[in-house]
Amino acid sequence: QLQLQESGPGLVKPSEALSLTCTVSGGSISSSSFYWAWIRQPPGKGLEWIGSISYSGSAYYNPSLKSRVTISVDTSKTRFSLNLSSVTAADTAVYHCARASLIGMVFDPWGQGTLVTVSS
Amino acid sequence: QSALTQPRSVSGSPGQSVTISCTGTSSDVGGYKYVSWYQQHPGKAPKVMIYDVSKRPSGVPDRFSGSKSGNTASLTISGLQAEDEADYYCCSYAGIYTVSFGGGTRLTVL
Repeated sequence: QLQLQESGPGLVKPSEALSLTCTVSGGSISSSSFYWAWIRQPPGKGLEWIGSISYSGSAYYNPSLKSRVTISVDTSKTRFSLNLSSVTAADTAVYHCARASLIGMVFDPWGQGTLVTVSS
Repeated sequence: QSALTQPRSVSGSPGQSVTISCTGTSSDVGGYKYVSWYQQHPGKAPKVMIYDVSKRPSGVPDRFSGSKSGNTASLTISGLQAEDEADYYCCSYAGIYTVSFGGGTRLTVL
């Protein structure tokens, strides 16, 4: 059964970069049928797609975050990562990683999520 | 790329049916047959309940159904049960491997 687990600092200072890793277990990350995605949810608010990446490294980002986001994939270590630069308090959120189907971008399964707070 | 529009809340009594709408544009909901719906209980990760407008993943009760007309997709839950109380999010493919989520709807089972 495929499982995803997010990891990274829970507290980041304003203007610094947020870096998270998603480790995939129980299956291969090297499949042409899927993309690997990051989705966030500010406290008490809705879901926001951040971006997705294929195993070969083709990445697509939310236009509203594109200038600050980089998603990378490490197939040898079955993990993919998120880097969000120049963070502000508005970036405080629970960050989820998920597998996305190539056709239709259906997110399943999801990681449990990790709360990242931006504060000095 | 704008968020899809959902009602903030809906409610229904056990056994009744409720429908949650999700309105987008011809660039997302209206342009593709790829609308999915996610259920999220407090403190939990979202779970896909409907994909490709009207398909149900294995294990999802057939009380959950989806449809689409023009730029508006809908999720209908029939025979409401207490465990259906949760937040529901629609999500639409928006081209070139991008998606938009709706703002979410809180379902209350009275």
